Amino acid sequence: GESVGLHLPTLSVQEGDNSIINCAYSNSASDYFIWYKQESGKGPQFIIDIRSNMDKRQGQRVTVLLNKTVKHLSLQIAATQPGDSAVYFCAGGTYNTGKLIFGQGTTLQVKP
Amino acid sequence: SQTIHQWPATLVQPVGSPLSLECTVEGTSNPNLYWYRQAAGRGLQLLFYSVGIGQISSEVPQNLSASRPQDRQFILSSKKLLLSDSGFYLCAGAYTSDTKQFFGPGTRLTVL
Repeated sequence: GESVGLHLPTLSVQEGDNSIINCAYSNSASDYFIWYKQESGKGPQFIIDIRSNMDKRQGQRVTVLLNKTVKHLSLQIAATQPGDSAVYFCAGGTYNTGKLIFGQGTTLQVKP
Repeated sequence: SQTIHQWPATLVQPVGSPLSLECTVEGTSNPNLYWYRQAAGRGLQLLFYSVGIGQISSEVPQNLSASRPQDRQFILSSKKLLLSDSGFYLCAGAYTSDTKQFFGPGTRLTVL
């Protein structure tokens, strides 16, 4: 079956450094991928998405890279700040239903 | 913009009692609506999704049911709660023409 998973459960970085969160997926049928940020006790917050026919997309301080050859997705956060501390989820989706399959999440800890 | 409302924020229920969680949407018409459950320290599991009034698709066999009596209202129910129903329940909505799902604040359910 299809799955979306994360490489590491926890990532600890120093404030000001760049963070890279990785995600692997198994289903090539995903039409797009989304990164969400979830703070403790809250619902996930949309960060950025990328279509499966793209390799890279940039937002404000964030970049998502998609490597379809190895079925790998990454989220890069520039100049990581304490407010970036949260759990980050990748999710793959299809256009026809909009259903998302979520990975298990990576906890990002930012050290001051 | 789209806003998802959920209530209550927290709920403690005894085993065998009924459940009704409500989700309402502001800012869009005819959205796709989703119910997810999140176990502690885990990713989100899709339970139900709906593309319109009265249209419900169930993703996993379980002790729960969903209904959509109005365009912007999505209800999650159970006749008799089990201990395993404990978790963080999230409602999400998406514009039918868009891929991004927006999440509500969630309901923390504890079944004792």
